[in-house]
Amino acid sequence: NAGVMQNPRHLVRRRGQEARLRCSPMKGHSHVYWYRQLPEEGLKFMVYLQKENIIDESGMPKERFSAEFPKEGPSILRIQQVVRGDSAAYFCASSPSRAGANVLTFGAGSRLTVL
Amino acid sequence: DQQVKQNSPSLSVQEGRISILNCDYTNSMFDYFLWYKKYPAEGPTFLISISSIKDKNEDGRFTVFLNKSAKHLSLHIVPSQPGDSAVYFCAASGMNRDDKIIFGKGTRLHILP
Repeated sequence: NAGVMQNPRHLVRRRGQEARLRCSPMKGHSHVYWYRQLPEEGLKFMVYLQKENIIDESGMPKERFSAEFPKEGPSILRIQQVVRGDSAAYFCASSPSRAGANVLTFGAGSRLTVL
Repeated sequence: DQQVKQNSPSLSVQEGRISILNCDYTNSMFDYFLWYKKYPAEGPTFLISISSIKDKNEDGRFTVFLNKSAKHLSLHIVPSQPGDSAVYFCAASGMNRDDKIIFGKGTRLHILP
């Protein structure tokens, strides 16, 4: 039973390029969360999605960032026109149902470096 | 606005002694609290949780204490082992549907030989 799978583990982009990070939740989990960890910082909530729905995107920057969780396939966090400040570790987590009463299972993260 | 605060960035404890990690929160609507442990280059892993109806939850060497009136919780590890060296994140959530989990900045625990 594979856990939460994230890819790529490491991604290097130049300023202005696009970054796409993928997350496959644990089997049976239909809720996905994306968190960002900046250097020397904690985990900052970005977005919470269920299949085909964005439930809470209050932590997403208003521009350049988007997320989706289609009916089929992994969840995608997309960052357009990346800037150096986007360099961070991006963690995806999943749960079988709503958080608050459930534990999130995290992936190993995708580390984005913007040159 | 930091709703979950871990004021000690790091902590060093002798192997075999007790490690106490502290966490404060500001949102009185939080009623479910968790601790996660993170090793370098890995994702956080769940350690222990407590709901607001309890003031203590124990799991082996790990005990979490909750003081609702003070909006404070702590994680006790006893006895501390070398493998406990990691970053520990305190997290909190409400019990309402679709509530997200809010994390603190973490405390780096060093277990000294």
